[in-house]
Amino acid sequence: SAVISQKPSRDICQRGTSLTIQCQVDSQVTMMFWYRQQPGQSLTLIATANQGSEATYESGFVIDKFPISRPNLTFSTLTVSNLSPEDSSIYLCSGSLQGYTGELFFGEGSRLTVL
Amino acid sequence: GNSVTQMEGPVTLSEEAFLTINCTYTATGYPSLFWYVQYPGEGLQLLLKATKADDKGSNKGFEATYRKETTSFHLEKGSVQVSDSAVYFCALRGSGGYNKLIFGAGTRLAVHP
Repeated sequence: SAVISQKPSRDICQRGTSLTIQCQVDSQVTMMFWYRQQPGQSLTLIATANQGSEATYESGFVIDKFPISRPNLTFSTLTVSNLSPEDSSIYLCSGSLQGYTGELFFGEGSRLTVL
Repeated sequence: GNSVTQMEGPVTLSEEAFLTINCTYTATGYPSLFWYVQYPGEGLQLLLKATKADDKGSNKGFEATYRKETTSFHLEKGSVQVSDSAVYFCALRGSGGYNKLIFGAGTRLAVHP
């Protein structure tokens, strides 16, 4: 398995502001991903975080709204910009190990509430 | 495209009851299949997996068998406990190179003493 830690675990933000979520993984992790889990919903992949280059975004997610960085192998940030109440969700960092077989390990998530 | 369909919840059971949560999938080729569990206030944990047809994944008393003929991966447990109360997600990864993990809608299980 892999150790994945996120912070903050929860936050309450005002409309129009931004929130940056940090994710630290252990050295076994090779690929990193960010997911969103809207209230009562399943998980949706936002993007794949690429080390030292721009993230690969899924359809419906754009860099201006969800800028992602991954300056090194074990650290990534997700920023949710220009917040609106619709952004209230749990944001989850995840990673896979060498020889990706689809199995992902998840952090505990960051619960964002936008007022 | 690939997709996963889970039975809707919530599922409410008494302790020691038998559990089945249905999961069916649509995918080309030979996907890998997973069950994840999310306990209240926590992130997702991998519960079990199966990577080829007829494989049976098992963990903590839970089992699921990869049935290609019925495109199913139903989760079962013979005797549930209150501590099994959680949301369960079925997921798949398509075959052939890198493919993202696609999740079902999740099924909430509540077990009462």
